[in-house]
This record gives sequence, C-alpha cells and structure tokens, in this order.
Amino acid sequence: AQSVTQLDSQVPVFEEAPVELRCNYSSSVSVYLFWYVQYPNQGLQLLLKYLSGSTLVKSINGFEAEFNKSQTSFHLRKPSVHISDTAEYFCAVSERTGNQFYFGTGTSLTVIP
Amino acid sequence: DAGVTQSPTHLIKTRGQQVTLRCSPKSGHDTVSWYQQALGQGPQFIFQYYEEEERQRGNFPDRFSGHQFPNYSSELNVNALLLGDSALYLCASSFQGRNEQYFGPGTRLTVT
Repeated sequence: AQSVTQLDSQVPVFEEAPVELRCNYSSSVSVYLFWYVQYPNQGLQLLLKYLSGSTLVKSINGFEAEFNKSQTSFHLRKPSVHISDTAEYFCAVSERTGNQFYFGTGTSLTVIP
Repeated sequence: DAGVTQSPTHLIKTRGQQVTLRCSPKSGHDTVSWYQQALGQGPQFIFQYYEEEERQRGNFPDRFSGHQFPNYSSELNVNALLLGDSALYLCASSFQGRNEQYFGPGTRLTVT
C-alpha cells in the first residue's frame, strides 16, 4: 500500500515571500503524484501533477513541484506567495496500475499581509 | 462544460438512519470515485465505480454501498449512521479510471 506524509500541518508565510510545502511518499511500485488545493468549504482542485517526463512540473499560477525518486519526495514551491494562496494543500499519490488515490493529511498555508 | 456536481450540499441525519448522496460526473467521464474527508484530515478512498460495477474498494465497512447508473452518475449510500460518519463526502470523476481525477464540491454530512 502507498502512504503520503506531509511534514508540516501549518505553514504561515508573509506575502511575497517564498514557500515550500513538503511531501514524501512510500511505495513499492511506480506512482503518479499530485498536488490539490482546497479553499474553505469547497472541493479539491488539481494544482499540478507528475505522470512522466520532466521531473519539474509547473502550474499556471506560479506553483511548481519536483519529483525526486531517490528521496521519494514531491515538494511544492512558490517563489512569491499572494494572499489568495491561503488554502489547504494536499499531496496525493496513485499507483500507475491502480485507481485509488492516497492523500496526505494536508498543509494549511496562511499568507500574512 | 459542467464539472462534477454533488447533491445535497449539506445534510443532517440522526444516528441509525440511512443516507443517500448523489454525484454527476464531469462531461465525458465514465468513472466515479467516492472519498470521505473527516475534519482536519485528507480524503480517504471509499470505492470506485466503472461500467456500473464497483471496481475497487477502500477500507470501509459494508454499511457503505454505492451504485452507478447508465448515464455514469453515482450514488453513495450509508446505512446505520454513526456519529463518526460525520464528514465531507467528495465525489471525483475521471475517464476510464485514468489518473487525473476531478472533484466535486462535496456533501457535508452531520450525524447527531
């Protein structure tokens, strides 16, 4: 079975500062990796995904994540955060041959003006 | 293009009762997965439906059951509700179970 660990439950950061949200996973097989964002009282929105190819993936709103197979990590980064980035962020993994998603417990990002 | 829709938005039930939650997948999608998200936790996989059959199931008791209709919409049924069933229930759809899943806004179930 797979498991996902998000090491930081809460991350406060000042506006326009850089941020990194950490995600590590464990799996005995090849996986796909995802970051989802959840705003209050809403469902999950796909932020970015790694399926294959380049290990650095980027979203349209400035976030990026890098797949590191040797460290089994998929950390999310943004060089300069905005107030609107305040939300809950979930890292998820699924087997390449499976259908089930495994989610971490989430990281609450709070951007301070 | 409508995304994933769920109904109702909120629901309050009493212990021991039964509940049915509904989900319509994104246009063009044929696979529906259900997740339970307890307060302060990540979503936990309940089961997935494809071609009107349960294809995979997570670690949930038989009180949780589902159905998929020919138009790909789906229902989640929970019997003999417990206080611990209070959670946000999320539906996600995909095409043939491919790994890009799109989530609905969820149904907030409160059991009193």
